[in-house]
Amino acid sequence: DAKTTQPPSMDCAEGRAANLPCNHSTISGNEYVYWYRQIHSQGPQYIIHGLKNNETNEMASLIITEDRKSSTLILPHATLRDTAVYYCIANNAGNMLTFGGGTRLMVKP
Amino acid sequence: ETGVTQSPTHLIKTRGQQVTLRCSSQSGHNTVSWYQQALGQGPQFIFQYYREEENGRGNFPPRFSGLQFPNYSSELNVNALELDDSALYLCASSLAGWETQYFGPGTRLLVL
Repeated sequence: DAKTTQPPSMDCAEGRAANLPCNHSTISGNEYVYWYRQIHSQGPQYIIHGLKNNETNEMASLIITEDRKSSTLILPHATLRDTAVYYCIANNAGNMLTFGGGTRLMVKP
Repeated sequence: ETGVTQSPTHLIKTRGQQVTLRCSSQSGHNTVSWYQQALGQGPQFIFQYYREEENGRGNFPPRFSGLQFPNYSSELNVNALELDDSALYLCASSLAGWETQYFGPGTRLLVL
């Protein structure tokens, strides 16, 4: 799996959009970009994934650059319950998930 | 809620003992993956079971073993426990093979 790079921590004001960046410059053509989050001491929660096109679901939007070397997870209206560690993972369909350090997002009132 | 359940939620063992952790996959899923998460680190892949067969293994010694049953529930067994085995053990189920994985709440193991 391609290595991903994320900032170790970010802050966001409650009600504002949280934009979490991820670099995956060595991603290969068959690797998807997956996002999970982990709220303290709980199991990771699947958020969204994509290959080339931008994706949106009820939780978030995923924007992938045209060259696929980076992506951004957008939480449109962050709440205090969105405080968590967010993991960006480049993963092909035939492999296990490889978690890095993630970004610790703190949503502040 | 993913529908993936794990038991027990917490467990305390002593060095050298053996432990069995259990996981029930989400309805309709035939694949279970196990991960170990040490304090302050991301989860590390242990192995995956697909239709009762091991379908991939991470860098863990043979004393970590598993089983998957016909109803697709799974067990993780760890023999000869070491202090470093203290961690959160997570299972994740997926529809088939390496499809999107959905995690359970985990079992926190403490080895004294």
